[in-house]
Amino acid sequence: GENVEQHPSTLSVQEGDSAVIKCTYSDSASNYFPWYKQELGKRPQLIIDIRSNVGEKKDQRIAVTLNKTAKHFSLHITETQPEDSAVYFCAASGTGNQFYFGTGTSLTVIP
Amino acid sequence: DAGVIQSPRHEVTEMGQEVTLRCKPISGHNSLFWYRQTMMRGLELLIYFNNNVPIDDSGMPEDRFSAKMPNASFSTLKIQPSEPRDSAVYFCASRLGQGINNEQFFGPGTRLTVL
Repeated sequence: GENVEQHPSTLSVQEGDSAVIKCTYSDSASNYFPWYKQELGKRPQLIIDIRSNVGEKKDQRIAVTLNKTAKHFSLHITETQPEDSAVYFCAASGTGNQFYFGTGTSLTVIP
Repeated sequence: DAGVIQSPRHEVTEMGQEVTLRCKPISGHNSLFWYRQTMMRGLELLIYFNNNVPIDDSGMPEDRFSAKMPNASFSTLKIQPSEPRDSAVYFCASRLGQGINNEQFFGPGTRLTVL
């Protein structure tokens, strides 16, 4: 089955700096890669996703890149703000219906 | 649409008692997922259904756990008997389609505490 690894597990950045979270996957059949943000006490919510026919996708301060050859994808947050503080999960999904989630990255943005 | 609905939102029970968690997926979604989240183990998939049929229950920790989906708009996760180590937040999520690249929508979760 698919195995998704996520790094780092914790990340602290100064407000205004950039944050990068990286994930790797093992199954070359995976073709959908969502990123979820979970604020304290809340449910995970999708913030951005990318499909395997695209190398990069951007939405305002958030971007995701995908390298299919190397089987890794990354989340980039620029100009970080305190409200970006949360746990971020990457996931991979393929021909089946199951999402394989990473172990999460706790991001703290220091004002 | 109200999104995925879960009940109860909080449950406190004593060891040995039966616990039933409920989920109503988004209307029209044909896949439903049950997850458990703890600090130690993160987000774990317990079981998922496609068109009301259980597809993969390999994440169900023990025989004390069981899940049903009698129709497209309702699912239950039951723990009998409950133990303190079952304390966690249980999320239900639903998704439209199979093999289609789209997101899972999570419910608000049920915070279970077993004393």
